[in-house]
Amino acid sequence: DAGVIQSPRHEVTEMGQEVTLRCKPISGHDYLFWYRQTMMRGLELLIYFNNNVPIDDSGMPEDRFSAKMPNASFSTLKIQPSEPRDSAVYFCASSRKLAGGPYEQYFGPGTRLTVT
Amino acid sequence: KNQVEQSPQSLIILEGKNCTLQCNYTVSPFSNLRWYKQDTGRGPVSLTIMTFSENTKSNGRYTATLDADTKQSSLHITASQLSDSASYICVVTSPGRDDKIIFGKGTRLHILP
Repeated sequence: DAGVIQSPRHEVTEMGQEVTLRCKPISGHDYLFWYRQTMMRGLELLIYFNNNVPIDDSGMPEDRFSAKMPNASFSTLKIQPSEPRDSAVYFCASSRKLAGGPYEQYFGPGTRLTVT
Repeated sequence: KNQVEQSPQSLIILEGKNCTLQCNYTVSPFSNLRWYKQDTGRGPVSLTIMTFSENTKSNGRYTATLDADTKQSSLHITASQLSDSASYICVVTSPGRDDKIIFGKGTRLHILP
């Protein structure tokens, strides 16, 4: 398996522009997570999906952020309009919940977003 | 408030030496605790996962301990190698209708030759 795939790996955009980050989870995983990582705040969970349905979006910073999962093999995180403070590395992760036990999360390589 | 605190923030040791990283949490209820290793420019990779009933788990030269009574965990690295230079992140999951996942800010470990 290729693991969790994210694109693009790097994105540089100007303030006010729309940014779309993409994620393909590992086949068979029914959970998908979006995280943001900065030096100041560390890793933050933004939103996660179970079977394509958003479960907890309490980490989404504001209405400028939206996430979708139209099918089991694809998810997007959109920022519109982008601001310089959105600059961070955005990770996607997927997992399969094991019956009666914790699930193993697999992270993608991340998208480094720079908003100028 | 559910929190995960890690110490130290940064650690520098010589290759071959052992070290121990600490994680204290105030998360309740508790489901499991994980340690991740994150190399620079890469996504985190899971090292160990421990549930309430487990108090130690090993993965090669990495040994994690968990004291659920005092809400403390440690990650011990034996005979460190240059490739151990990375950030180590402690993550606690709190169960509920929707699981809550709380991340520590990590310990940055530098191994010097």
